[in-house]
Amino acid sequence: DAGITQSPRYKITETGRQVTLMCHQTWSHSYMFWYRQDLGHGLRLIYYSAAADITDKGEVPDGYVVSRSKTENFPLTLESATRSQTSVYFCASSVSRGVTKNIQYFGAGTRLSVL
Amino acid sequence: RKEVEQDPGPFNVPEGATVAFNCTYSNSASQSFFWYRQDCRKEPKLLMSVYSSGNEDGRFTAQLNRASQYISLLIRDSKLSDSATYLCVVTMNYGGSQGNLIFGKGTKLSVKP
Repeated sequence: DAGITQSPRYKITETGRQVTLMCHQTWSHSYMFWYRQDLGHGLRLIYYSAAADITDKGEVPDGYVVSRSKTENFPLTLESATRSQTSVYFCASSVSRGVTKNIQYFGAGTRLSVL
Repeated sequence: RKEVEQDPGPFNVPEGATVAFNCTYSNSASQSFFWYRQDCRKEPKLLMSVYSSGNEDGRFTAQLNRASQYISLLIRDSKLSDSATYLCVVTMNYGGSQGNLIFGKGTKLSVKP
């Protein structure tokens, strides 16, 4: 059971470059989420998706773009990376109904450094 | 006022100690409550859901006080392996749909031999 996987696990890039972080889940969960985690801020929601082709902004969406053409994939793109986007990025997924509908399962994270 | 507030710690306790974490939330419409655990440089993982009646899972007990908008986590007989950051999480559901999780910044626990 692969669960939810993120790639790459580590990434170093330069200011102004485009970067795409990948997220793949094998559970067929309807919902997927992208968070960033920084010291002093905890986890903050960037974007989320309720289903394929349905996405919505979270708390800190500026500078990021998402897409969801397939249920299992939810890539996050930094169109022009800035140093303030240096962070740890977590992808998560959850089911849409039932007693576990609000429980999110997280990938291992991507550590991104923008130089 | 922050939506979910926790004492950041760190809590440094000896093995076998009982330790309690508290969390307050600002939105009275919050409907679901959880404790997640996050090990250093790892992803958050669900520790337990929190129910109005209180619930227990082995050495862990979670309680919710909706009137005071307060959640607690009690760990009895602490183990070295309990060392981690504990995240208080709340969510609201709009019209029965999925709610977004609001995370506290976490409380760091360090259990010493």
